Amino acid sequence: QIQLLQSGAEVKKPGDSVKVSCKASGYTFTSHLINWVRQAPGQGLQWMGWISAYNGNTNYAQTFHDRVTMTTDTSTSTAYMELRSLRSDDTAVYYCARSVYYMGADYWGQGTLVTVSS
Amino acid sequence: EIVLTQSPGTLSLSPGERVTLSCRASQSVTSNYLAWYQQKPGQAPRLLIYGASSRATGIPDRFSGSGSGTDFTLTISRLGPEDFAVYYCQQYGSSPYTFGQGTKLEI
Repeated sequence: QIQLLQSGAEVKKPGDSVKVSCKASGYTFTSHLINWVRQAPGQGLQWMGWISAYNGNTNYAQTFHDRVTMTTDTSTSTAYMELRSLRSDDTAVYYCARSVYYMGADYWGQGTLVTVSS
Repeated sequence: EIVLTQSPGTLSLSPGERVTLSCRASQSVTSNYLAWYQQKPGQAPRLLIYGASSRATGIPDRFSGSGSGTDFTLTISRLGPEDFAVYYCQQYGSSPYTFGQGTKLEI
């Protein structure tokens, strides 16, 4: 079955970086985009960007453009999202989700809570 | 950036009722690439509808989507107890792929 398994919760200090992983299984990894979406506590969903698992092309939301890097490792079918210069308002659950261009995100990871606190 | 506005913010309903949720875009959504998601507390979102009107795999036919351009709706024909959740629309036709703020269905 198709699964996206994310890495565990992280606690970081302001100014730190965090790298969240998302291991895909049950489908051809390179046939989809991997999106990253975050959700602050009690808030709505915020799209951060996507990476093509086929060729590594990225499309970042301007809000995060200078602080985020999305990468993939096709040998392990794993996608990564690194967010730098963390602030307290980066505290959120971070989700990975696969998609193709004509569909929304049909499979999601379980989410990774990143807490930023001094 | 396309801003999506969902209405209403919260709806109080009973099982068995029919409900229509609205999602309005600040500009036309390219190729009607509009999706609807359901999210329950502590869970990841679940894709219900893509391309404005196509049901995702495994989604019951009581869920239907319609609309084009800037106005879209999600209709649930008969609410089941499991349908009480938050619903989000998302446009994925132009970057950034924005979400609406959500509509909460409560009993």
